[in-house]
Amino acid sequence: NAGVMQNPRHLVRRRGQEARLRCSPMKGHSHVYWYRQLPEEGLKFMVYLQKENIIDESGMPKERFSAEFPKEGPSILRIQQVVRGDSAAYFCASSPSDPSEAFFGQGTRLTVV
Amino acid sequence: SQQGEEDPQALSIQEGENATMNCSYKTSINNLQWYRQNSGRGLVHLILIRSNEREKHSGRLRVTLDTSKKSSSLLITASRAADTASYFCATDPDSNYQLIWGAGTKLIIKP
Repeated sequence: NAGVMQNPRHLVRRRGQEARLRCSPMKGHSHVYWYRQLPEEGLKFMVYLQKENIIDESGMPKERFSAEFPKEGPSILRIQQVVRGDSAAYFCASSPSDPSEAFFGQGTRLTVV
Repeated sequence: SQQGEEDPQALSIQEGENATMNCSYKTSINNLQWYRQNSGRGLVHLILIRSNEREKHSGRLRVTLDTSKKSSSLLITASRAADTASYFCATDPDSNYQLIWGAGTKLIIKP
């Protein structure tokens, strides 16, 4: 049973481009969480999804950011028109139900140049 | 505001010494977890302690939880150079499903 897989591990985008971050949850996990970690800080909750549903996106900026978790395929975090302040590590976690049983991926490090 | 706050922000000790880090939080919780993050890398889950537990051990790690003071401590005994990392506490508030993270303690073990 592979762990939570995130790709790419590193992503470099120029200002104004789009960034697409992928997260494949562990087998059997239908709950996905995205967190953002700015340099030298802890993780901040962004969004919680179940298959085909966004349960809570209260931590996600209202503009330029979107997330989905389709019936088939990985969860996608999409950042449009990236700015330098979007540079961060983005972690995905998945759980069968209880978030305290969430397993984290290795993260995607986004650098906006 | 942050639920969990670790202190100290940074800790530097000699190899072989014990390292103690603390975490305070604000709301009632279901459980509290400690994670390690090596520089620029992913998160490693260390230990979970539930709200009805007071102490838990795992190898060289000892975690305590005081729900009356809303605080937890992580003790690493006989530290090694490989323990150099940032350590985070994350709480699972009983009114929410999010994990709330502190800013971390940066631990440096000097050989």
